[in-house]
Amino acid sequence: GENVEQHPSTLSVQEGDSAVIKCTYSDSASNYFPWYKQELGKRPQLIIDIRSNVGEKKDQRIAVTLNKTAKHFSLHITETQPEDSAVYFCAASIGGTSYGKLTFGQGTILTVHP
Amino acid sequence: SAVISQKPSRDICQRGTSLTIQCQVDSQVTMMFWYRQQPGQSLTLIATANQGSEATYESGFVIDKFPISRPNLTFSTLTVSNMSPEDSSIYLCSVGGGGPGNTIYFGEGSWLTVV
Repeated sequence: GENVEQHPSTLSVQEGDSAVIKCTYSDSASNYFPWYKQELGKRPQLIIDIRSNVGEKKDQRIAVTLNKTAKHFSLHITETQPEDSAVYFCAASIGGTSYGKLTFGQGTILTVHP
Repeated sequence: SAVISQKPSRDICQRGTSLTIQCQVDSQVTMMFWYRQQPGQSLTLIATANQGSEATYESGFVIDKFPISRPNLTFSTLTVSNMSPEDSSIYLCSVGGGGPGNTIYFGEGSWLTVV
């Protein structure tokens, strides 16, 4: 089955700096890659996603890049703010009838210091 | 976006008992998914619930421990049976992903503590 590795497990940055979280996946059939933000005591919230026919996607301060050949994708947060502090999860799905089945990375605890 | 309601939101359960979690969606969906998130851990898929057929379980999860019902296209239940402290987790249902353009949404989660 699919295996998703996520790094780093913890990331500490100063407000205004950029943060990058990287994930690798094992199944070349995976074609959908969402990123979720989970604040303490809350459910995971989708922040951005990318599909395999796209190499990069951007939404304001958040961007995701995908390298299908290397089987890795990354989350980039620019101009970080204290409210960006949370746990971030990457995930992968092989699509088709399994489109909703997500394999998650281990999570990254992001701390943004004012 | 889909609105997903889960009940209970939190519960404290006695060891050896069973608890049923309900998931209600505001629109008809073909597949619903149940995930578990143990304390400080990532999310792991328990099973896929399709209306009109038996749920499909992932490796490490069995029907006797996590029976699932899917009586219609907007509702599903997950039962955690014969609970032990190791079952203390957040249980989340999700919907979506039925096609390339569909986003996957999560319910608010059910926080279970087994004592």
